[in-house]
Amino acid sequence: QQQVKQSPQSLIVQKGGISIINCAYENTAFDYFPWYQQFPGKGPALLIAIRPDVSEKKEGRFTISFNKSAKQFSLHIMDSQPGDSATYFCAASSRLTGGGNKLTFGTGTQLKVEL
Amino acid sequence: GAGVSQTPSNKVTEKGKYVELRCDPISGHTALYWYRQSLGQGPEFLIYFQGTGAADDSGLPNDRFFAVRPEGSVSTLKIQRTERGDSAVYLCASSLMVADTQYFGPGTRLTVL
Repeated sequence: QQQVKQSPQSLIVQKGGISIINCAYENTAFDYFPWYQQFPGKGPALLIAIRPDVSEKKEGRFTISFNKSAKQFSLHIMDSQPGDSATYFCAASSRLTGGGNKLTFGTGTQLKVEL
Repeated sequence: GAGVSQTPSNKVTEKGKYVELRCDPISGHTALYWYRQSLGQGPEFLIYFQGTGAADDSGLPNDRFFAVRPEGSVSTLKIQRTERGDSAVYLCASSLMVADTQYFGPGTRLTVL
């Protein structure tokens, strides 16, 4: 059962435009929500993350909006650039036995930024 | 500094064979995770180590999968009697402390023919 649903599956944006990716979750035990960026042949790299007690977090051109009551969160990329073309994954973290954190990922969004 | 490294980068094997995949975490990172990423999907959790012990192996799909971390640093994921459905990218991640950001390696692409 997919616990984190992500949309759209793919997205094409013009250079300078805004890219928006949405995620929804079901498990209220999730306590940390990171976004990862992945280029072909590379591992996922942390982009930005938010905790559920905050409704918005901004770092440079990247903003996470978080709606706890709706169990939804989204990534906004302002002034999108061709170098932003990659696959983006939302994730949600829950506690593991022994204190670690299990990341549950969405299915990914392939972003292409065109000139 | 050096990130998480994984070897080999690619592994092709035949159905029924045994494989070992290696992960070198970032130096000093105590927590280590294995994930599996199938084509077109997000990574899925397999197992978590804190130090030398497997603290949580709830994501391992069956008893053909096993992982070790004998000295609390390098970890090896072992797959016995490989099946075609095991084909995926196996990712390793490490973090400095248990609740910190997980840093991922580039992965090992396993293909079972």
